[in-house]
Amino acid sequence: LAKTTQPISMDSYEGQEVNITCSHNNIATNDYITWYQQFPSQGPRFIIQGYKTKVTNEVASLFIPADRKSSTLSLPRVSLSDTAVYYCLVGDTNFNKFYFGSGTKLNVKP
Amino acid sequence: EPEVTQTPSHQVTQMGQEVILRCVPISNHLYFYWYRQILGQKVEFLVSFYNNEISEKSEIFDDQFSVERPDGSNFTLKIRSTKLEDSAMYFCASSNRGGYTFGSGTRLTVV
Repeated sequence: LAKTTQPISMDSYEGQEVNITCSHNNIATNDYITWYQQFPSQGPRFIIQGYKTKVTNEVASLFIPADRKSSTLSLPRVSLSDTAVYYCLVGDTNFNKFYFGSGTKLNVKP
Repeated sequence: EPEVTQTPSHQVTQMGQEVILRCVPISNHLYFYWYRQILGQKVEFLVSFYNNEISEKSEIFDDQFSVERPDGSNFTLKIRSTKLEDSAMYFCASSNRGGYTFGSGTRLTVV
């Protein structure tokens, strides 16, 4: 399974764009990249998933370079409520299992 | 929006007792999972379940754990003889070959 590496924590201010990068050097051909958000005492919440290039939805964008060895989650104009832990997961298309890394704790300040 | 429902939200049990954690996955999902999260630590994979059998399990998922889909809607995790170190949040998730949807979890406290 591809191991993921993310910064342990990041600080930002309200209204800024936040980019969280994840490294996954040994990603396999069939692996997808998925990002989750987790608030304290809650289950992780799906944010976005992609395979290559760029994916955008109503809450975030995901940028994946051609070699797919990294990915960047982009959160536009964060608010205080975006303070959470963000996890990057890499998993096969059979979806038998995903392993969570340590995640990035994002702290949004007023 | 469809949800994964977990019950109970909090369970306190004595060491050595059996507990059953219950989950109702999203109705058209085919893949089911259990994860746990010890306080302050990362989310850990326990087991995945597809087509009425275990697909994958981690080293955490030893003989004291079992999973079952007793009917068309429920998915349960049984811990036969709880230990203090089993205290954690247990999350159920389901998927249909896309991103997971997680439940809100059951906080298990073993005393």
